[in-house]
Amino acid sequence: ILNVEQSPQSLHVQEGDSTNFTCSFPSSNFYALHWYRWETAKSPEALFVMTLNGDEKKKGRISATLNTKEGYSYLYIKGSQPEDSATYLCAFDPGGYNKLIFGAGTRLAVHP
Amino acid sequence: SAVISQKPSRDICQRGTSLTIQCQVDSQVTMMFWYRQQPGQSLTLIATANQGSEATYESGFVIDKFPISRPNLTFSTLTVSNMSPEDSSIYLCSAGGVSGSDTQYFGPGTRLTVL
Repeated sequence: ILNVEQSPQSLHVQEGDSTNFTCSFPSSNFYALHWYRWETAKSPEALFVMTLNGDEKKKGRISATLNTKEGYSYLYIKGSQPEDSATYLCAFDPGGYNKLIFGAGTRLAVHP
Repeated sequence: SAVISQKPSRDICQRGTSLTIQCQVDSQVTMMFWYRQQPGQSLTLIATANQGSEATYESGFVIDKFPISRPNLTFSTLTVSNMSPEDSSIYLCSAGGVSGSDTQYFGPGTRLTVL
């Protein structure tokens, strides 16, 4: 059974703080790693799709890195804002068929 | 990108009944999927909705419980049959390309409560 772990489970930060969370996945049979942001009652928003070891991607204040050899990805948020409050999900695709295996998510709360 | 809508957004159902959830994509897509998130759990893939043929189910999910239709490249339905309280979940549809490096887009989900 392939397992994707995310840590921490939840995080509370002050506005302006920078933060990061981790996604761990099996390092064998890697094809792609997806990051999503999910706000309650909305569609999960695709942030990044990462495929290459050493890949770094950036979208505004959010960036992500990927290490496929050791099986982890980091998501960074610089200067957190209250609107960043959401659950951040990572999803592992082992076979390239878009059948995603999700972690349980990191719930981020940014306090003004 | 693709914009996906789902109906209903939420429902409360009685044990033993069935509910059909609709998923509409604003453009033609190759792949459509159905996921479930039970309370406190991760999003889990139920099945791949195949256009013009039977859906492909993941381990632990069967067609009799979760029949799926996909009559064309923009629409799919998932039925949750003979519901029990354990079926209380958020059900999401998604759409994407053929490759695992393609972005997969999600609908807003259907929040189902079974009494």
